[in-house]
This record gives sequence, C-alpha cells and structure tokens, in this order.
Amino acid sequence: GAGVSQSPSNKVTEKGKDVELRCDPISGHTALYWYRQSLGQGLEFLIYFQGNSAPDKSGLPSDRFSAERTGGSVSTLTIQRTQQEDSAVYLCASAGGARAQPQHFGDGTRLSIL
Amino acid sequence: TQLLEQSPQFLSIQEGENLTVYCNSSSVFSSLQWYRQEPGEGPVLLVTVVTGGEVKKLKRLTFQFGDARKDSSLHITAAQPGDTGLYLCAGAANTGNQFYFGTGTSLTVIP
Repeated sequence: GAGVSQSPSNKVTEKGKDVELRCDPISGHTALYWYRQSLGQGLEFLIYFQGNSAPDKSGLPSDRFSAERTGGSVSTLTIQRTQQEDSAVYLCASAGGARAQPQHFGDGTRLSIL
Repeated sequence: TQLLEQSPQFLSIQEGENLTVYCNSSSVFSSLQWYRQEPGEGPVLLVTVVTGGEVKKLKRLTFQFGDARKDSSLHITAAQPGDTGLYLCAGAANTGNQFYFGTGTSLTVIP
C-alpha cells in the first residue's frame, strides 16, 4: 500500500512477556518516528530515525524499550518484560526527511498488558 | 513536563456553530503542525505553520501561529459533524529531532 503500515493492529499479552511491534514506512521516506498514545491523549515521542544517522533515543521511557530500523526501511519496536503501564497505542510515522516535513502516520498497534 | 497545553480538552457543539481551539506553550518552536485523529486511526496532518504571525486557511478552518512562535489557534467556522475528532497540535523543537504533541482537544459536532 501507499501509506504507513503497522502490525499487529492489536496485541494482548501477559505482564512480563516481550513484544515486538512492526512499522513499514512509506517507500522513500528517510525519517521514521515512534510515539506512544494513551487513551484520548496526546502523543509521547519515543524514538526517531533519520537515514543512516544514529537514532535519537531520548524519548524511550526505560531500558526495556528498544527499536531498530533495518536497511533504512522497516522498523521494529521491542518492549521487554512488559508492564501494565506499557498498555497504550503505539504509533509510527514516516516523513520525507527535513524536520518540518509532514509526518504520515500508521493506524497504530493497540497494546494491552494483562 | 507537558510542553504544549491545549484548551479546551473536550468540546461538544451543535452543527453550524463556530469554535476555537488553543495550543499554548512557554517554549519557542521552529514550526507547528495541527493534526486531526479519528478513533482507531493515526493522526492526519491538517497544516504546518512556520512564520510567527502566520495565518493559514483551509476551507472552514483558520490556523494562526503566534508572533513569538509559542502558541497557535485553530478556528472552525460553521462546524460540521465530519469535523468530529481529536485535534492535536505539535511543535518542532528548535534543536534536535523531537516533535512535542499537545494534550489534544476532543471535538464532537452534534447534527
């Protein structure tokens, strides 16, 4: 498809398990963002990838969170030893490059930790 | 620390009414974006404002960036049920790569 694709759309898991969320950005977009959104709230920045540069990880809330972007395209966000407070919608966005460029969002992964 | 505060948080109005949503901060941003988000979907960009004092119009929506680039407003004229959604402002930091999103305004337009 032409848009940003995220999978799975929903994930329910038990506390303590690891989860992996996937983002497939728009082809050719060099910038990729991960955000977290609690119900009906604004977005919390997690991490930013730009081309081959070192990612900006300043928004990751703890060392249980990590992200990779392979080949400058697909990205995975991994949460280890999940906690109930990790429950949220995780959104991915890609952009053409420069910071002022519009971000194109996927529909998110709704993560529920039991 | 929430850098961008939006008000009101919730707004329910009748079709045809006008409304204004505010996005305020004590920080200066290099640019500011407004998004609309519907349930189960990601935010969709409405506009980007870059210059202090800039005004942009998108049909019935008018966006203004404050002179000091610390605040912004979104005015909707003659609201329609299709305007219902969560409106988010997002400021681009002057340094670094972050976009700081506002707290969101949930708008419901009643037919």
